[in-house]
Amino acid sequence: AQSVSQHNHHVILSEAASLELGCNYSYGGTVNLFWYVQYPGQHLQLLLKYFSGDPLVKGIKGFEAEFIKSKFSFNLRKPSVQWSDTAEYFCAVNAGGQNFVFGPGTRLSVLP
Amino acid sequence: KAGVTQTPRYLIKTRGQQVTLSCSPISGHRSVSWYQQTPGQGLQFLFEYFSETQRNKGNFPGRFSGRQFSNSRSEMNVSTLELGDSALYLCASSPSWSSETQYFGPGTRLLVL
Repeated sequence: AQSVSQHNHHVILSEAASLELGCNYSYGGTVNLFWYVQYPGQHLQLLLKYFSGDPLVKGIKGFEAEFIKSKFSFNLRKPSVQWSDTAEYFCAVNAGGQNFVFGPGTRLSVLP
Repeated sequence: KAGVTQTPRYLIKTRGQQVTLSCSPISGHRSVSWYQQTPGQGLQFLFEYFSETQRNKGNFPGRFSGRQFSNSRSEMNVSTLELGDSALYLCASSPSWSSETQYFGPGTRLLVL
């Protein structure tokens, strides 16, 4: 069975700091990878996704993620965070027509 | 296009009762998935429906059931509610199978007293 782990439960940063959120998955075959974001009081929104091709994918709001197949990782990055990036971030994996599996989430708090 | 809608948005029930939640997917989307979101467990997959057929099912007891109608709208039912069923229930739709991007609704927050 697939599983997804996220390295940090809660990350606290100051504005303008760089962000990297770790995500690792366990599945040996071809996967589709996603990052979703849930802003306070809002529903889950897609941040970015990787299906194939260039392993460095760019999403909305300046986020990007890099797929490293050998490490089974799909880490999320942003060079300079803003207060408005305060949210919960979920990594998700889908493979082989199976259902989505979500990581436990990382709560990001950005201090103004 | 309108997004995924879920009704009701909030619900309070007592133990032993049953509840039905509804989800209307984005127009043209044929796959609907349901998730339970709790602070301790994150998002747990309940089931997925595609063209009125259940394709996948998560590890939840039989008290949790669902169905999908010919217009792709979906309902999930929880019978004999327990306190631990208190959660945010999310519905997500995708154009076909769940291997594609899923688009989430706002959720139904269920409180069981």
